[in-house]
Amino acid sequence: AQKITQTQPGMFVQEKEAVTLDCTYDTSDPSYGLFWYKQPSSGEMIFLIYQGSYDQQNATEGRYSLNFQKARKSANLVISASQLGDSAMYFCAMASGYSSASKIIFGSGTRLSIRP
Amino acid sequence: DAGVIQSPRHEVTEMGQEVTLRCKPISGHNSLFWYRQTMMRGLELLIYFNNNVPIDDSGMPEDRFSAKMPNASFSTLKIQPSEPRDSAVYFCASRGQGAGTDTQYFGPGTRLTVL
Repeated sequence: AQKITQTQPGMFVQEKEAVTLDCTYDTSDPSYGLFWYKQPSSGEMIFLIYQGSYDQQNATEGRYSLNFQKARKSANLVISASQLGDSAMYFCAMASGYSSASKIIFGSGTRLSIRP
Repeated sequence: DAGVIQSPRHEVTEMGQEVTLRCKPISGHNSLFWYRQTMMRGLELLIYFNNNVPIDDSGMPEDRFSAKMPNASFSTLKIQPSEPRDSAVYFCASRGQGAGTDTQYFGPGTRLTVL
């Protein structure tokens, strides 16, 4: 069975500090993709970063990086130098199978609040 | 590219009425997904299509819900009759084809309120 787990319902972080949002996953498929999305209070779902199971290096996109530990089945999101605008809900997601035809399942999310 | 387009953005209706939500995926994407988001249940996948064919509709809550994708650029999600418990934000998302280009992009969502 496929499963995504986010164990941190909420986090508070001081502005300019780095923050790590946890995500663990479970799948029996050797090919899969991992995603992170941001949902601000305005409600839209914003794609942040993607990691394929066969990618040799951890994905990075600006201040976002994905700490991919395959053996531990974890895909934590790291945000460097947090900003007030980073306050939002963050979702980890997984697609099993290396095709756009596979469905994507989502974790329950982590609400991140940045303190000035 | 305009991204995933959904309409209407907001819908308020009365219980028992038919509701139709519309989605235009990103051009060239061959998979389309309908999600529902509520505070109680989070983000739920309702149904998804690949090349206009429904692949998995196991998330559709009941027979009152139906979805169609008559062509690659248009999909509808219909609720008939609507009930107050259907109140939620409904997202459409589309996904590209080919390994390494699997990113799924969401539309802005339709906020549905059933009175």
